[in-house]
Amino acid sequence: GENVEQHPSTLSVQEGDSAVIKCTYSDSASNYFPWYKQELGKRPQLIIDIRSNVGEKKDQRIAVTLNKTAKHFSLHITETQPEDSAVYFCAARGGADGLTFGKGTHLIIQP
Amino acid sequence: DAGVIQSPRHEVTEMGQEVTLRCKPISGHNSLFWYRQTMMRGLELLIYFNNNVPIDDSGMPEDRFSAKMPNASFSTLKIQPSEPRDSAVYFCASNQEGGVSSPLHFGNGTRLTVT
Repeated sequence: GENVEQHPSTLSVQEGDSAVIKCTYSDSASNYFPWYKQELGKRPQLIIDIRSNVGEKKDQRIAVTLNKTAKHFSLHITETQPEDSAVYFCAARGGADGLTFGKGTHLIIQP
Repeated sequence: DAGVIQSPRHEVTEMGQEVTLRCKPISGHNSLFWYRQTMMRGLELLIYFNNNVPIDDSGMPEDRFSAKMPNASFSTLKIQPSEPRDSAVYFCASNQEGGVSSPLHFGNGTRLTVT
């Protein structure tokens, strides 16, 4: 089955700086890569996703890049704000399998 | 739409008791997923259904866990007998699968505590 590794487990950045979270996956058949944000005590919510037919996708301050050859994808958040503080999960899915999630990154925005 | 609805929000039970978690997916979604979240193991896929049929239950930890989806609008996850190590947040999620993956929508979860 799919295996997703996520780094770092904790990331602390100054407000206004950029944050980058990286993930690798193992199954070359995976073709869908979403990112979820989870605030304390709440459910994971989708913030952006990318499919394997594109290399980059952007939505305002959030962007995701995908390198199929290397089997890794990254989340980039620019101009970070206090409300960006949360746990972020990457995930991968291929074929008829369910989504496999990374272990999460706790993003801390320092004022 | 009200989103994915789970009940109860919190469940506290004693070891050995039966626990039943419930989920109503978003209307029109044909796939339903049960995940378990713990600090140590993160989000683990337990089982998922497509058109009410279990597709992959390889994530179900052991025979004490069972899941059913009798119709398109209802699913249950049962633990019998429950153990303290089952304490976790259990999420149900749904989406519409049609060849291209669509986003998963999560419910608010059930926080289970087994004492």
